[in-house]
Amino acid sequence: QITLKESGPTLVKPTQTLTLTCTFSGFSLSTTGVGVGWIRQPPGKALEWLAVIYWNDDTRYSPSLQSRLTLTKDTSKNQVVLTVTNVDPVDTATYYCARRTTPNYYFDFWGQGALVTVSS
Amino acid sequence: QSALTQPRSVSGSPGQSVTISCTGTSSDVGGYNYVSWYQQHPGKAPKLMIYDVNKWPSGVPDRFSGSKSGNTASLTISGLQAGDEADYYCCSYAGTYLWVFGGGTKLTVL
Repeated sequence: QITLKESGPTLVKPTQTLTLTCTFSGFSLSTTGVGVGWIRQPPGKALEWLAVIYWNDDTRYSPSLQSRLTLTKDTSKNQVVLTVTNVDPVDTATYYCARRTTPNYYFDFWGQGALVTVSS
Repeated sequence: QSALTQPRSVSGSPGQSVTISCTGTSSDVGGYNYVSWYQQHPGKAPKLMIYDVNKWPSGVPDRFSGSKSGNTASLTISGLQAGDEADYYCCSYAGTYLWVFGGGTKLTVL
């Protein structure tokens, strides 16, 4: 059974750094072709793709947010960590992690999401 | 990399069919046959409904179908049911391992 779960702070102050962890089970990020991505959704708004990291450490970021995002993985813990620097209230959103496996071009399993509010 | 364009809302009566469009550019929708569709009920995570324009994941009924023409992809839901009421998002591969989502469409079953 494949599961993913996001965890992290629910409230972050503007200009701070947000760190979110995706803990997954049922697959391994050391398996060729596997990737874990992050997608966020501001309250009442659309989904926005943020980034993805692959088994071989290849990492891709949304061009509009690239300078503020960092993805790392800990294969032994089955975790992926997303860091967002210099947060602003517009970063308030539910953050989802999801799995992608090459050569597929979709995200097949998603976490339940973690709501993060940026406010002073 | 701009969001794909979807109608804000569509509606239909039970048993009817509705179609949701998703318009992009030649750099995303038009350039690849890698459009996927996600269903999202309130407070829930998105669920994959269609991938590679017109393929079904296991467990998704064939009442959901996808197509593409040029830079526009479409999701058609036939035999509408009350449980289909949700938000629907298209997503397209945009090259170099980048993805772009649509703005979302709220489906109301009358």
